[in-house]
Amino acid sequence: DGGITQSPKYLFRKEGQNVTLSCEQNLNHDAMYWYRQDPGQGLRLIYYSQIVNDFQKGDIAEGYSVSREKKESFPLTVTSAQKNPTAFYLCASSMSGGTHNEQFFGPGTRLTVL
Amino acid sequence: DQQVKQNSPSLSVQEGRISILNCDYTNSMFDYFLWYKKYPAEGPTFLISISSIKDKNEDGRFTVFLNKSAKHLSLHIVPSQPGDSAVYFCAATSGYALNFGKGTSLLVTP
Repeated sequence: DGGITQSPKYLFRKEGQNVTLSCEQNLNHDAMYWYRQDPGQGLRLIYYSQIVNDFQKGDIAEGYSVSREKKESFPLTVTSAQKNPTAFYLCASSMSGGTHNEQFFGPGTRLTVL
Repeated sequence: DQQVKQNSPSLSVQEGRISILNCDYTNSMFDYFLWYKKYPAEGPTFLISISSIKDKNEDGRFTVFLNKSAKHLSLHIVPSQPGDSAVYFCAATSGYALNFGKGTSLLVTP
């Protein structure tokens, strides 16, 4: 089955530690995205990648880093510099990075900083 | 600044009736609009989209209307079913990234 997988579903981290969230897709999509959702809020864009080995900052990139070494994978690292990392993180992909392409979302990872 | 606004946090509709969810946007460069449905602790699911060159798009029970002059779009669900109960997000884009509203929680009661 084609789709987007995110792991783990729930993640706990001690304050001051870096943590990496996994996102894998087998849809052969070129573009991938990371969003963050906070309670009562819409989704906000953290980073996006239109093609392998290229990525761009979104609206709230501070304290996060990404890599795009393979088309299928777009991991997100939440660093200790992120001031309020507890949130629901969603990964998405689309056929290409251009407009008029629907983005398809993974199931999400809930990160809690203790 | 929020470029996509969903001013109704919640909506309750009886089963079989029409649900109308509204969305306003401020950026005139947006040329593609989408609606997503989301259950708690899950990723959003794409529902329907519309290009700015159209004013209506229909897919089964779901119809999206776009009024460019008013910078307003709406999602109509007819007839509403209990399984439609979820949070609905409006999104708009002029390029790569989607700009989301804060969502409207729809409850369809039997």
